[in-house]
Amino acid sequence: EPEVTQTPSHQVTQMGQEVILRCVPISNHLYFYWYRQILGQKVEFLVSFYNNEISEKSEIFDDQFSVERPDGSNFTLKIRSTKLEDSAMYFCASCRDRSTDTQYFGPGTRLTVL
Amino acid sequence: AQSVTQLDSQVPVFEEAPVELRCNYSSSVSVYLFWYVQYPNQGLQLLLKYLSGSTLVKGINGFEAEFNKSQTSFHLRKPSVHISDTAEYFCAVSGGDYKLSFGAGTTVTVRA
Repeated sequence: EPEVTQTPSHQVTQMGQEVILRCVPISNHLYFYWYRQILGQKVEFLVSFYNNEISEKSEIFDDQFSVERPDGSNFTLKIRSTKLEDSAMYFCASCRDRSTDTQYFGPGTRLTVL
Repeated sequence: AQSVTQLDSQVPVFEEAPVELRCNYSSSVSVYLFWYVQYPNQGLQLLLKYLSGSTLVKGINGFEAEFNKSQTSFHLRKPSVHISDTAEYFCAVSGGDYKLSFGAGTTVTVRA
């Protein structure tokens, strides 16, 4: 069964450093998402992406964040200058048809900012 | 905008006993409703979803949920739980914007 994959599973970085979190969505899916879950808190929507552009973003998704689909298979989330409060589990999700389809989630990347 | 309230943060339950996890939502538009499960150290897996039609929805692993529009609820039930059902369960809603809004989660601990 096809699945969403994410790498790395755990990333440790120093405050102020740039990180890139990578996702490979399911191959025939067209809509892509990033969510995050700070320890002990809700899973929060960050951004949705369709047709090579952002379709919606939350207040959390400020200028420090960017997303890209560089090669037709990967979907990346970049944080330019990490802060301590960026420490969280980041989940990638994808779906084929956003109106009726399920969003399939990857296993997540745990980001720890020191 | 939509929001979800999961009324129980922790639910301890004995093996083979029934369990109900409560979820209420608020929305100004028609919604789609979901329950996801997160096993320890794993990602989110869909248990079931309500898009339209029958208000009783059956999912994987013996779970079911009932959509109640008048009470704005989507409670999850299982008649007999197993040790392997120990996990965190998230109720989620999406509206016209199709992004998911999650509840805070309910931790289910099944004891022998």
